[in-house]
Amino acid sequence: DAKTTQPPSMDCAEGRAANLPCNHSTISGNEYVYWYRQIHSQGPQYIIHGLKNNETNEMASLIITEDRKSSTLILPHATLRDTAVYYCIEAGANNLFFGTGTRLTVIP
Amino acid sequence: GAGVSQTPSNKVTEKGKYVELRCDPISGHTALYWYRQSLGQGPEFLIYFQGTGAADDSGLPNDRFFAVRPEGSVSTLKIQRTERGDSAVYLCASSRYASGGAVVTDTQYFGPGTRLTVL
Repeated sequence: DAKTTQPPSMDCAEGRAANLPCNHSTISGNEYVYWYRQIHSQGPQYIIHGLKNNETNEMASLIITEDRKSSTLILPHATLRDTAVYYCIEAGANNLFFGTGTRLTVIP
Repeated sequence: GAGVSQTPSNKVTEKGKYVELRCDPISGHTALYWYRQSLGQGPEFLIYFQGTGAADDSGLPNDRFFAVRPEGSVSTLKIQRTERGDSAVYLCASSRYASGGAVVTDTQYFGPGTRLTVL
């Protein structure tokens, strides 16, 4: 299974940018990097995905290194509602391998 | 528009019983996926359907688990002779399509899950 490496937990002050790193050194050339998050007791929520270019949408920005071995998810102005577990996934097959993710806690 | 829905939201059963969990995908999505999430872990893949057929069931833990999608829309995950170790949240997701063996796939959107507790 394709696997990514993420820190188990991070804190971020409310209103500041949250930068969540992910290593995906085994990623293949045509595999996308997907980010999901899971708020307590809810199903995973899609955030953003990218192949090699940086991406931005209404929720977040995704910065992918040129060698594609790592990426950073950026929440520009974290709110308390962004407290969740964030999963970085190499989407190589039709089944997503989630790993254990990063637990982000936004602090008032 | 309506997202993926799952029923029931909670199911409590006794060891040895049979249970069915239902998933209604987003309208028009041809691919449907089932995952299982144990406490403190990320979701783990069970099976996915492209249309009516199970294209990959490699994640099903054993032959007590079975899933169907007879009309290519609603899917039912069936668990026979439930065991306490089957207790978990069962998640369903759908996507517009799934690539047939190629790498790229479409974004999966998840339902809220069914929490199964086997006593």
